[in-house]
Amino acid sequence: EDQVTQSPEALRLQEGESSSLNCSYTVSGLRGLFWYRQDPGKGPEFLFTLYSAGEEKEKERLKATLTKKESFLHITAPKPEDSATYLCAVQAEDSNYQLIWGAGTKLIIKP
Amino acid sequence: NAGVMQNPRHLVRRRGQEARLRCSPVKGHSHVYWYRQLPEEGLKFMVYLQKENIIDESGMPKERFSAEFPKEGPSILRIQQVVRGDSAAYFCASSQGRGQPQHFGDGTRLSIL
Repeated sequence: EDQVTQSPEALRLQEGESSSLNCSYTVSGLRGLFWYRQDPGKGPEFLFTLYSAGEEKEKERLKATLTKKESFLHITAPKPEDSATYLCAVQAEDSNYQLIWGAGTKLIIKP
Repeated sequence: NAGVMQNPRHLVRRRGQEARLRCSPVKGHSHVYWYRQLPEEGLKFMVYLQKENIIDESGMPKERFSAEFPKEGPSILRIQQVVRGDSAAYFCASSQGRGQPQHFGDGTRLSIL
């Protein structure tokens, strides 16, 4: 069964303290992996798409990487405005372009 | 540069009533997806539509739920005879094509009294 697991469930960091969020996936074949950010009361905001192992994408303080089994979202020197829930989703090759979602990592950056 | 627009943002219904949720995709996007989210849970796929066609409805309950995306106008998710368990946030997303990133609206929060 296709599955996406995100860890940790929650992460509290001090402003400026770098860390990584993990997204492990089990799919028959990966078509794409997507990272989103969700703020309370809002819809998910698209961040990155990764398609093949070894690929990396960067945006401001965020960098996403992909291996054959997992993806990492690295956050460098975070600021309080980076506080949000970060969601990971995968699209399997044998799916009808349906996204399978992880439960998210709630990131809190303390000033 | 409007993104995905959903309305209403909040909807209150009594048990047994009908709920209609509307979604206008990003201009130029012809693919629409509906998701449901419960507090502290991940997004659950419900249905994927392209203009006038349902592509995949495998995540949508067979009874009481229906979705459409007409040639003109917004996509509609319709829930008939609502029950307490239908209370959730319902999100709509759109994309330019299959496999392209999905862009989300801010959801409709449905509460059933």
